[in-house]
Amino acid sequence: QVQLQESGPGLVKPSETLSLTCTVTGYSISSGYNWGWIRQSPGKGLEWIASVHHSGSTHYNPSLKSRVTISIDTSKNQFSLKLTSVTAADTAMYYCARYGYTFDIWGQGTMVTVSS
Amino acid sequence: QSVLTQPPSASGTPGQRVTISCSGSSSNIGSNNVNWYQQLPGTAPKLLIYRNNQRPSGVPDRFSGSKSGTSASLAISGLQSEDEADYCCAAWDDSLNGFVFGTGTKVTVL
Repeated sequence: QVQLQESGPGLVKPSETLSLTCTVTGYSISSGYNWGWIRQSPGKGLEWIASVHHSGSTHYNPSLKSRVTISIDTSKNQFSLKLTSVTAADTAMYYCARYGYTFDIWGQGTMVTVSS
Repeated sequence: QSVLTQPPSASGTPGQRVTISCSGSSSNIGSNNVNWYQQLPGTAPKLLIYRNNQRPSGVPDRFSGSKSGTSASLAISGLQSEDEADYCCAAWDDSLNGFVFGTGTKVTVL
């Protein structure tokens, strides 16, 4: 059974870099699929951030592309997100998910608050 | 930044049929498959419908999806109290070269 688990700091200061990791169990990410990050600001809708293929190729949301880096570490069966120069607008629940024909398996999410 | 538009709310009594619309454009719904997610309070989204009208294993057949042109719909037949949740459509957008979600619809069971 494939499971995803997000990890990272729950509090980030404005202008700093948000770093999150998603650990995948029950499946070797080097075997296939794309893997992605989605966020949901409090009381708002879902926003796709970025996706990475198991080969390392990436896709970014154009509205966030200048601040986002997604990477994959097949040796650790993990993929990661970095978001630079964060502001209060980046406060959100961050989810990692597997993307085949769609985002079909999601992690439980991790709340990140941007505040000094 | 949602490019897929949904009504903010929908409601019905137990046993009724509720339909949620999702309006997009030629670059997303018009040329790609539509997916639907259910988000119960305090939980992660769960895939409900994929490829316009397919249900993942374990999803009751009370849930059905359809697509026509640049719009899609999710129907819930025989509404139950446990269906009270947020529902969101999603699709790939060829112009943005990215995945887009709908604005979301909160379903209330009266």
